Amino acid sequence: QLQLQESGPGLVKPSETLSLTCTVSGGSISSSIYYWGWIRQPPGKRLDWVGSISYSGSTYYNPSLNSRVTISVDTSKNQFSLKLSSVTAADTAVYYCVRLHVATLVHHHWGQGTLITVSS
Amino acid sequence: DIQMTQSPSSVSASVGDRVTITCRASQGISSWLAWYQQKPGKAPKLLIYSASSLQSGVPSRFSGSGSGTDFTLTISSLQPEDFATYYCQQANSFPLAFGPGTKVDIK
Repeated sequence: QLQLQESGPGLVKPSETLSLTCTVSGGSISSSIYYWGWIRQPPGKRLDWVGSISYSGSTYYNPSLNSRVTISVDTSKNQFSLKLSSVTAADTAVYYCVRLHVATLVHHHWGQGTLITVSS
Repeated sequence: DIQMTQSPSSVSASVGDRVTITCRASQGISSWLAWYQQKPGKAPKLLIYSASSLQSGVPSRFSGSGSGTDFTLTISSLQPEDFATYYCQQANSFPLAFGPGTKVDIK
């Protein structure tokens, strides 16, 4: 059974770079029929799509974050990662790693989520 | 970019009620729409994809309809475990986008 697990520091200082990793188990990240990605949710607010990546490294980002976000994939470790630079309090959110099907662009599988707080 | 809206933002209902939630896309997305259910402190769960296809394991009281710009999620007979927030998501093209959510709570 596919499992996605986020990991990373729970607290990041303003202006620094947020780094998260998602470890995939129960399935291979090297599949051409899936994208992998990140979705975040500020406390009490709506879901916010951050970006998606294919196993080969093709990326798609939220235009509102485009200049600050990088998603990468490490097939040797069955992991993918998120880096968000120059963070502010507005980036405080629960961050979910997800798998979506290439054909439908629907998020079938979600990690449990990890709360990232931006504060000095 | 495609923007998503939902109505109502919240609805109070009783067990056994029929509940309908509407989602609208800012431009036509054919049937490329998904619905998710989220309970407090939990990750969202996929309910419906391609506007009307029920995800495996989801009870048949959930149904979706619509195409183009207007879509509907219907819960035919609300159960206690259905009290949650529901989000639509356009799946037509990148960048992906979610609606603002509809909270279904107990009357």
